[in-house]
Amino acid sequence: IQMTQSPSSLSASVGDRVTITCRASQDITHFLAWFQQKPGRAPKPLIYAISSRQSGVPSRFSGSGFGTQFTLTISSLQPEDFATYYCQHYDGYPRTFGQGTKVEI
Amino acid sequence: DVQLVESGGGLIQPGGSLRLSCAVSEFNVNENFMGWVRQAPGRGLEWLSVVYPSDTGGRTYYGDFVRGRFTISRDSSKNAIFLHMDSLRADDTAVYFCAGAIRPTYERGLFDQWGQGTLVTVSS
Repeated sequence: IQMTQSPSSLSASVGDRVTITCRASQDITHFLAWFQQKPGRAPKPLIYAISSRQSGVPSRFSGSGFGTQFTLTISSLQPEDFATYYCQHYDGYPRTFGQGTKVEI
Repeated sequence: DVQLVESGGGLIQPGGSLRLSCAVSEFNVNENFMGWVRQAPGRGLEWLSVVYPSDTGGRTYYGDFVRGRFTISRDSSKNAIFLHMDSLRADDTAVYFCAGAIRPTYERGLFDQWGQGTLVTVSS
């Protein structure tokens, strides 16, 4: 299963609403997760099952979609949100990540 | 606190073999899901492998680009996992992360325990 994200990068300001899209090459129903990665750090899980936030993840992060089309939305971008975001399916093996979306100032 | 510490990275010639280790503390590698994810320089994440808890038979799964060349294993006595890599190629150059999750978290598709990564460079 191939995961394709868009855009590959975007520029935004603090307070902006940001939306990242992820498309799966086949129907993965609800088996979709999102990770955040900052430079030099390991990935951090944000969301699973399309829209469920991992413990401790702020409510400004939300996910939506189903099947093959998914989105991650940051409702009001904060300084600590500048990072690269990856979608990942977990509908069987091998699990695959999207190529990432870098959110820059 | 849970800690995962990778080691064993370095410079290796194409065609060579290397074994990465991940020493784990405060998290039982035998009872939980453990795996490896890599990231080539300036590139995205690539899911590599997972080993299931021993009570589910210790099944293993691999990514398409490493299946048949890489082998994940576990040593319960050392509370560590390993990634044995054979027939290394230049495009295997990456930071290799060790990762883990308890069952409910893994069933959500997530690894939530991560090491800091170890760099493997495949070059002549």
